[in-house]
Amino acid sequence: AQSVAQPEDQVNVAEGNPLTVKCTYSVSGNPYLFWYVQYPNRGLQFLLKYITGDNLVKGSYGFEAEFNKSQTSFHLKKPSALVSDSALYFCAVRKNNAGNMLTFGGGTRLMVKP
Amino acid sequence: ETGVTQTPRHLVMGMTNKKSLKCEQHLGHNAMYWYKQSAKKPLELMFVYSLEERVENNSVPSRFSPECPNSSHLFLHLHTLQPEDSALYLCASSPRSGADTQYFGPGTRLTVL
Repeated sequence: AQSVAQPEDQVNVAEGNPLTVKCTYSVSGNPYLFWYVQYPNRGLQFLLKYITGDNLVKGSYGFEAEFNKSQTSFHLKKPSALVSDSALYFCAVRKNNAGNMLTFGGGTRLMVKP
Repeated sequence: ETGVTQTPRHLVMGMTNKKSLKCEQHLGHNAMYWYKQSAKKPLELMFVYSLEERVENNSVPSRFSPECPNSSHLFLHLHTLQPEDSALYLCASSPRSGADTQYFGPGTRLTVL
């Protein structure tokens, strides 16, 4: 079975500082990995995904994530945080050729303070 | 906005009521999904429809009954719910079943009294 862990319930960072939101996964075979963001009273918005190829994936709003196969991680990063980045972030994994089963992590709340 | 709409946005119902949640996607997608988002729990996939046929039923109680009359519309019929069913119900769609990126609606906040 596939699983995703987001070890931090909350990450606090000052505006302008770099941010990292951690994600580790467990899946047999090659994973498809995703990051979604949820703003208050909104649904999830797609940020970026890794399917294959370059381990560094660039996505929306200046976010990027690095796929690390040996550490089974897919951490979300941004060089300079904005207060407007404050939201709930979800990592998700799907096993290649596993149909529709997208497994989500528990979410990490990012708080960016001015 | 993502092109996926959900109505109503908020719903309060008693345990004996019957209500329905509606989802509509304007993206020309062929697959639609229902998820449940509860406080302090990961997102739970409930149902998946592909080309109006249910392809996934993730051990959901029978008091939740999905319906997909066409590829643009998805309903979740609710009856005799329990207070623990209170949650945010999210609809999503993707170009096809098993496709990579799912696009989510804003959700329906359900409260069962």
